[in-house]
Amino acid sequence: DGGITQSPKYLFRKEGQNVTLSCEQNLNHDAMYWYRQDPGQGLRLIYYSQIVNDFQKGDIAEGYSVSREKKESFPLTVTSAQKNPTAFYLCASSTGTGGNEKLFFGSGTQLSVL
Amino acid sequence: DAKTTQPTSMDCAEGRAANLPCNHSTISGNEYVYWYRQIHSQGPQYIIHGLKNNETNEMASLIITEDRKSSTLILPHATLRDTAVYYCIVRTPFQGAQKLVFGQGTRLTINP
Repeated sequence: DGGITQSPKYLFRKEGQNVTLSCEQNLNHDAMYWYRQDPGQGLRLIYYSQIVNDFQKGDIAEGYSVSREKKESFPLTVTSAQKNPTAFYLCASSTGTGGNEKLFFGSGTQLSVL
Repeated sequence: DAKTTQPTSMDCAEGRAANLPCNHSTISGNEYVYWYRQIHSQGPQYIIHGLKNNETNEMASLIITEDRKSSTLILPHATLRDTAVYYCIVRTPFQGAQKLVFGQGTRLTINP
């Protein structure tokens, strides 16, 4: 089936530790996105990538890093600089960023701090 | 993107039509109205979008007022699986998806 796969479903981070969240898509989409969602809140954009080897900061990029070495993959690293990392993280993709395209989302990763 | 206003929560009986309102009084002429929904602990799912005419697909209907300052998403025969948070978003066709703003949405509860 075509879609977006996020792993793991649940992740625990120790203080001072970097952790990486995986996002893979087989939809042949050019654009990919990472969002953070806190309980009872909407989604906030962390990073997005319009094409391989290129990415842009979103509204809350501090404490996070990404890479886009392959079209299918857009991993997110939550660094130790992110002081409040506990949240639900969502990855999405779209056919492009030129306009009117729909977003397709993965099932999310819940990150908690031990 | 124009700001949207939605009720925080709504309830609807199973089998009845669920009508979810959205105000977007500052919408401009080339901005579309999009609806997504998010079932608990999952990613949001696209439902429908429209510009000025009413739209219908297999999931829902979208009714946009003539002045385009508000719209209503209609789930014609709500089921328990329609319990979710529903997001109303406006955007121009020339803005990339990174410009979509997912606010707090409306938490719709379908009751048996």
